[in-house]
Amino acid sequence: NAGVTQTPKFQVLKTGQSMTLQCAQDMNHNSMYWYRQDPGMGLRLIYYSASEGTTDKGEVPNGYNVSRLNKREFSLRLESAAPSQTSVYFCASTRGRNYEQYFGPGTRLTVT
Amino acid sequence: GQSLEQPSEVTAVEGAIVQINCTYQTSGFYGLSWYQQHDGGAPTFLSYNALDGLEETGRFSSFLSRSDSYGYLLLQELQMKDSASYFCAVSITNDYKLSFGAGTTVTVRA
Repeated sequence: NAGVTQTPKFQVLKTGQSMTLQCAQDMNHNSMYWYRQDPGMGLRLIYYSASEGTTDKGEVPNGYNVSRLNKREFSLRLESAAPSQTSVYFCASTRGRNYEQYFGPGTRLTVT
Repeated sequence: GQSLEQPSEVTAVEGAIVQINCTYQTSGFYGLSWYQQHDGGAPTFLSYNALDGLEETGRFSSFLSRSDSYGYLLLQELQMKDSASYFCAVSITNDYKLSFGAGTTVTVRA
């Protein structure tokens, strides 16, 4: 099992450009999450999907959109990137037991 | 909203014991989790407490007091590989969302 995979690993964007971060899990988990982590801070929830076909906003959803393409895949889109979106983005999934979330390796995004 | 407080840094020597405290203020509560993260890598799950008391998993233990809105992670017999950031996280709903603290950086010295 690959667990949770994310692409790309690194990305540099110019202000105003758009891009989609991809996330997939092969553990048959129902729930998936997108977080951002800024230096010296914890993870902040951007969006989540409790099950296939549903998505909801987290703490910091502004400037982002998501798509739960199927049970395996959950993508995060930046329509018009801003320097404030420079961060490390983590995708995670859970089957629910003990609230244990499994994280992908992260995407390091820089917006200039 | 939710707020979680944990110390920003802890330094200890190999073989020592370290306790990382976490206090929380939330609108609801289902449980307290702990995650470890090495050098910006993927966070990994350590423990989850839903009920009061101590949970032990090898060298690591986690404690929860719901009445005090307080928990801690205890790292025993510290090893160099335990140098990492440790995050507490609360779940306030039954849909498995987590709210994370800012993290505690543990540095283990020889």
